[in-house]
Amino acid sequence: KQEVTQIPAALSVPEGENLVLNCSFTDSAIYNLQWFRQDPGKGLTSLLLIQSSQREQTSGRLNASLDKSSGRSTLYIAASQPGDSATYLCAVTTDSWGKFQFGAGTQVVVTP
Amino acid sequence: KAGVTQTPRYLIKTRGQQVTLSCSPISGHRSVSWYQQTPGQGLQFLFEYFSETQRNKGNFPGRFSGRQFSNSRSEMNVSTLELGDSALYLCASSSRGDEQFFGPGTRLTVL
Repeated sequence: KQEVTQIPAALSVPEGENLVLNCSFTDSAIYNLQWFRQDPGKGLTSLLLIQSSQREQTSGRLNASLDKSSGRSTLYIAASQPGDSATYLCAVTTDSWGKFQFGAGTQVVVTP
Repeated sequence: KAGVTQTPRYLIKTRGQQVTLSCSPISGHRSVSWYQQTPGQGLQFLFEYFSETQRNKGNFPGRFSGRQFSNSRSEMNVSTLELGDSALYLCASSSRGDEQFFGPGTRLTVL
């Protein structure tokens, strides 16, 4: 059974610092890994999708890496801003049938 | 392009009642997935539909059911509501079941 873990559960950094968020999964036979952010009481916003054949994806200040053999993904957010404060979730799927297994998330607070 | 829409946004029901939630995917997307989010259990997969067929199902009791229409809109139904069904219900759409785009959710409160 696939299990997804995100450590730490919470993180507080001053504005301008780089953020490093970790995600680990137990079954390396993944199809896709996707990173999301969630603001309180809201839905999820897709940040980056990494397909199993890819090692990393980049979008603006965000960069996500994937190491299937070690069962890890890391999300880097450069030069954090207070608007980056949110809960960040990673999710993996082992097929193309839309069933994602989510981690519990990392709650990030960026202080001005 | 319009995003995923969910209706209603908020619902209050009492134990024993049933509820129907609706999800309209992004235009052109044929896959719709449903998730339940609670503080204790996090995000849990309910089921996924593609072209009106349920392709995948999570570990929820039979009180939770869903369907998808020919226009890809989807509904989920929960019968005989229990207090533990109080949650944020999220729907996600994708073109083939790959990158997921989520709606704002329906907040269900069971009293």
